[in-house]
Amino acid sequence: GAGVSQSPSNKVTEKGKDVELRCDPISGHTALYWYRQSLGQGLEFLIYFQGNSAPDKSGLPSDRFSAERTGGSVSTLTIQRTQQEDSAVYLCASSIGQGASEAFFGQGTRLTVV
Amino acid sequence: GNSVTQMEGPVTLSEEAFLTINCTYTATGYPSLFWYVQYPGEGLQLLLKATKADDKGSNKGFEATYRKETTSFHLEKGSVQVSDSAVYFCALSKGGSNYKLTFGKGTLLTVNP
Repeated sequence: GAGVSQSPSNKVTEKGKDVELRCDPISGHTALYWYRQSLGQGLEFLIYFQGNSAPDKSGLPSDRFSAERTGGSVSTLTIQRTQQEDSAVYLCASSIGQGASEAFFGQGTRLTVV
Repeated sequence: GNSVTQMEGPVTLSEEAFLTINCTYTATGYPSLFWYVQYPGEGLQLLLKATKADDKGSNKGFEATYRKETTSFHLEKGSVQVSDSAVYFCALSKGGSNYKLTFGKGTLLTVNP
């Protein structure tokens, strides 16, 4: 597609359930990033992929969070046993190279844990 | 660690008013500095950037100057338009991990006709 596509755009889940958030990067972009925007917080870096590898996953807040990328394309962010504090907008971005300033962002997935 | 502080707003202006959104940062060395904008219903977009001290980034009438001495990167526009209504984020990235952006909390700007 023309831009970074994220699905679903909105997700409401019950506390304790697992959720999967999907990101389709721009075709040909080797780098992919996940960020989280919580109420009252700025955007927080979660994880960075180069190809299918994640050289930096330092921003993942707990071991309930994991992400993978397959075929150097689609990425899935999985949150297990969701908690209310996981409620946030999850943003995905991609870029041709490693430079953050060249990244294109998706519109995000708004996750609400009830 | 690195951090970015920006005025939280919301900021409400009349069309053609002067805009300033303050941004200061904490980082070792010489980070690159950015302003991103998020229009309603759209994804984040890079607005402008500066990579070294005294550089001025500019785009769409917006400007920001990298001030090392005051660790600041304030966003300015001389005459705002209704179409500038959006959330503005100041951000930085550092050298060896230039893929990673550290963002401020964002400032909501509303411009009234």
